Amino acid sequence: GENVEQHPSTLSVQEGDSAVIKCTYSDSASNYFPWYKQELGKRPQLIIDIRSNVGEKKDQRIAVTLNKTAKHFSLHITETQPEDSAVYFCAAYAGGTSYGKLTFGQGTILTVHP
Amino acid sequence: DVKVTQSSRYLVKRTGEKVFLECVQDMDHENMFWYRQDPGLGLRLIYFSYDVKMKEKGDIPEGYSVSREKKERFSLILESASTNQTSMYLCATEVGSGDYEQYFGPGTRLTVT
Repeated sequence: GENVEQHPSTLSVQEGDSAVIKCTYSDSASNYFPWYKQELGKRPQLIIDIRSNVGEKKDQRIAVTLNKTAKHFSLHITETQPEDSAVYFCAAYAGGTSYGKLTFGQGTILTVHP
Repeated sequence: DVKVTQSSRYLVKRTGEKVFLECVQDMDHENMFWYRQDPGLGLRLIYFSYDVKMKEKGDIPEGYSVSREKKERFSLILESASTNQTSMYLCATEVGSGDYEQYFGPGTRLTVT
């Protein structure tokens, strides 16, 4: 089955700096890669996603890049703010003929210091 | 707005008890999932269902079962709770048919003593 590795497990930055979180996956059939943000005490929510036919996607201060050959993808947050502090999860989706499932990474605790 | 609710936010049970966790969604989504969340291990899939009365094992199904009698409701059952099942349990729904965004419930923090 799919295996997703996420690094680093914790990341501490100063407000205004950039933050990068990296994930690798094992199943070359995976074709959808979302990123979820989970604030303390809250449920995970999708913040950005990318499909395998696209190399990069950007939404304001966040961007995701995908390298299918190397089987890795990354989340980039620019101009970080204290409200970006949360746990971030990457995931990879491998679909079957009628259904599929997400495999999540281990999570990254991002702390943005004012 | 998608609404996914779970029956309890906090639950304390004794070893050996049968435990039911319920998840209800109001958006007519096809697919529903149960995950457990543990620090450093991310979200691990226990079971999922892509149709009423259908279920598929996820990555860690041992010690759990599920039931989906109606489209909007997906139940997770711990047949005989054990201390290593102490965890946060998250339910999620997905539209299906090529839309893979998952919507999570608030979670149930289960403690087995």
